[in-house]
Amino acid sequence: GAVVSQHPSWVICKSGTSVKIECRSLDFQATTMFWYRQFPKQSLMLMATSNEGSKATYEQGVEKDKFLINHASLTLSTLTVTSAHPEDSSFYICSASPLRRDTQYFGPGTRLTVL
Amino acid sequence: QKEVEQDPGPLSVPEGAIVSLNCTYSNSAFQYFMWYRQYSRKGPELLMYTYSSGNKEDGRFTAQVDKSSKYISLFIRDSQPSDSATYLCAMTAGGAGSYQLTFGKGTKLSVIP
Repeated sequence: GAVVSQHPSWVICKSGTSVKIECRSLDFQATTMFWYRQFPKQSLMLMATSNEGSKATYEQGVEKDKFLINHASLTLSTLTVTSAHPEDSSFYICSASPLRRDTQYFGPGTRLTVL
Repeated sequence: QKEVEQDPGPLSVPEGAIVSLNCTYSNSAFQYFMWYRQYSRKGPELLMYTYSSGNKEDGRFTAQVDKSSKYISLFIRDSQPSDSATYLCAMTAGGAGSYQLTFGKGTKLSVIP
C-alpha cells in the first residue's frame, strides 16, 4: 500500500518551454501533497505544500508564478515548470500524506533536463 | 545550529556487518520520526516510522528514538549489498497543519560484498 506515482519519469525540453509533472497517490487519498527538488548529492528541498482544493503554499525563494501547482483531487497534484531554463534542471520529487497520518510517501521522482 | 544534523558519510561496511546511522535534532517539538532509504535517481522509500521515544523493529531494521537526548538511530543487521543507498532521517512535530518534514542531509552507505 501507500504507492505514489509520478509521470513522466524523465523529460528533456528546450529552454523557454513549459513542462507539467503529475503526482498521483494510487491506493490512498491525500489531502496534502508536497513538491521537492533535489540537486546531485544534496538532500531534498521543499518547494511547496499543496492542499486539495486550495492554493499551494510556497517556500521562501520559490517563485509561485514559475512553479505552478494544482491539486485538483485527493489523488492528483501537478507541478508545471513554466518558461523553463537550464538552471531549472533538477530531480523533482512529490510526496503525499495520507489522511490523519504524519508521514509522507514519495513518488519515484522526475528528472528534468532543460537544454 | 541546523534543526537536524546527520553525518553525510560516506560509510563503507563489509557485508554482514551491523550498521548504525544517527541523527540529532534541536527542536523539542518533533514527535514523529522517520527513516527513508533513497537509491540513486529514485524517490525516497519509507523504511521506519516511529512516534515518540522507544524502539521499533522491522526485520533487519531497528529504529531508536531518545527524545531526552534528541537523538535517533537506525540499525541495520546482517547488512547486504542491496542496502547500499542514501539513508535520510526525517521528523515532524505532527498535528493538523504541521505535516512538513524536516530532513537530515542523508548518509550514503556502501555495503561491500
